[in-house]
Amino acid sequence: DGGITQSPKYLFRKEGQNVTLSCEQNLNHDAMYWYRQDPGQGLRLIYYSQIVNDFQKGDIAEGYSVSREKKESFPLTVTSAQKNPTAFYLCASSLQGNTEAFFGQGTRLTVV
Amino acid sequence: AQSVTQLDSQVPVFEEAPVELRCNYSSSVSVYLFWYVQYPNQGLQLLLKYLSGSTLVKGINGFEAEFNKSQTSFHLRKPSVHISDTAEYFCAVTPFSGSARQLTFGSGTQLTVLP
Repeated sequence: DGGITQSPKYLFRKEGQNVTLSCEQNLNHDAMYWYRQDPGQGLRLIYYSQIVNDFQKGDIAEGYSVSREKKESFPLTVTSAQKNPTAFYLCASSLQGNTEAFFGQGTRLTVV
Repeated sequence: AQSVTQLDSQVPVFEEAPVELRCNYSSSVSVYLFWYVQYPNQGLQLLLKYLSGSTLVKGINGFEAEFNKSQTSFHLRKPSVHISDTAEYFCAVTPFSGSARQLTFGSGTQLTVLP
């Protein structure tokens, strides 16, 4: 089945450690996105990428990094510089010229 | 830049009653409009979208929404809700221009359907 796979579903890390969240899609979509969701704040865009080896900062990129070495993959690293990393992270993708973005099932990151 | 305001953070309603979830947006450019639904600890599923044409759009699960350009609103409605409609609903916009579909979301409305 085609879709977007985020792993793991739950992730726990100690404060000060970097952590990488995985996002893989087999929809042959050109663009991929990372959003952060906090209670009562909706979703906010962290980074997005329209083509391989290129990406742009979203509204809240500080403390995060991404790479896009393959069309199918767009991993997100939450660095120790991110002051409040505990959140629900959602990955999405879209086909160029299409109006709709499709979402993965999310990764809930808890930093203790 | 765009912004989206969902006027109600929580909406409780009894089963089989009608419901309206309100959404207003602000944008300096033309936008597409969307409603997404999220069940607990899951991703977002598209309910419906407005691209152009008829201002009344129908989506999945019996939901519909009406685009009002003069009031910059895109309210979501359902004539009779079910327990299974309990979820969080997000209104979102994305600019016409550009090939990427980065979305600007509202803060969400938690719909709780009571028996």
